[in-house]
Amino acid sequence: NAGVTQTPKFQVLKTGQSMTLQCAQDMNHEYMSWYRQDPGMGLRLIHYSVGAGITDQGEVPNGYNVSRSTTEDFPLRLLSAAPSQTSVYFCASSYFASGRAYEQYFGPGTRLTVT
Amino acid sequence: KNQVEQSPQSLIILEGKNCTLQCNYTVSPFSNLRWYKQDTGRGPVSLTIMTFSENTKSNGRYTATLDADTKQSSLHITASQLSDSASYICVVSGYGGSQGNLIFGKGTKLSVKP
Repeated sequence: NAGVTQTPKFQVLKTGQSMTLQCAQDMNHEYMSWYRQDPGMGLRLIHYSVGAGITDQGEVPNGYNVSRSTTEDFPLRLLSAAPSQTSVYFCASSYFASGRAYEQYFGPGTRLTVT
Repeated sequence: KNQVEQSPQSLIILEGKNCTLQCNYTVSPFSNLRWYKQDTGRGPVSLTIMTFSENTKSNGRYTATLDADTKQSSLHITASQLSDSASYICVVSGYGGSQGNLIFGKGTKLSVKP
């Protein structure tokens, strides 16, 4: 199993450009999430999904869109990049197990710089 | 407000020594608490997950403890190795344990020196 994969690893955008960060998992996990990690701050949830066709907003959703057409893929779209979106982005996935703690698997991250 | 506070922010120890990292939380209701290890430039990796009924859990040289009454947890690393140099993140899951209710601490950066 490849686990959780993310592409690209690095990206530089100009203000106003749009792009899609890709995330895929091969563990048949229902839950998938996107986080951003900034210096001196904990990981912050952007959007998450509990299954194909179902998404919800996290703590910092503004400026980002997601969709979940398949169990495997959960792309994150930046609509119009801003310097405040310079960050490291992590995708994560896990099983859904009602009443039980679940292990979360993270991808390697995408380092995005917006100039 | 639900918060997770970790201490110290950073720590330097010599190889072979033990250390303990602290996590205090105000998340309520509480579902579970987990510790992650994050190597520089990589994604976090799960070390332990504990529910409110568990007060200790081990993973090799890592032992986590949980006191749900005082809302405190600790991560003890025994006989440290150079490869233990990383950030350690405490994460508390609120009601229902769903992905939308995970509260992340800012992490403790551990450096193990030879």
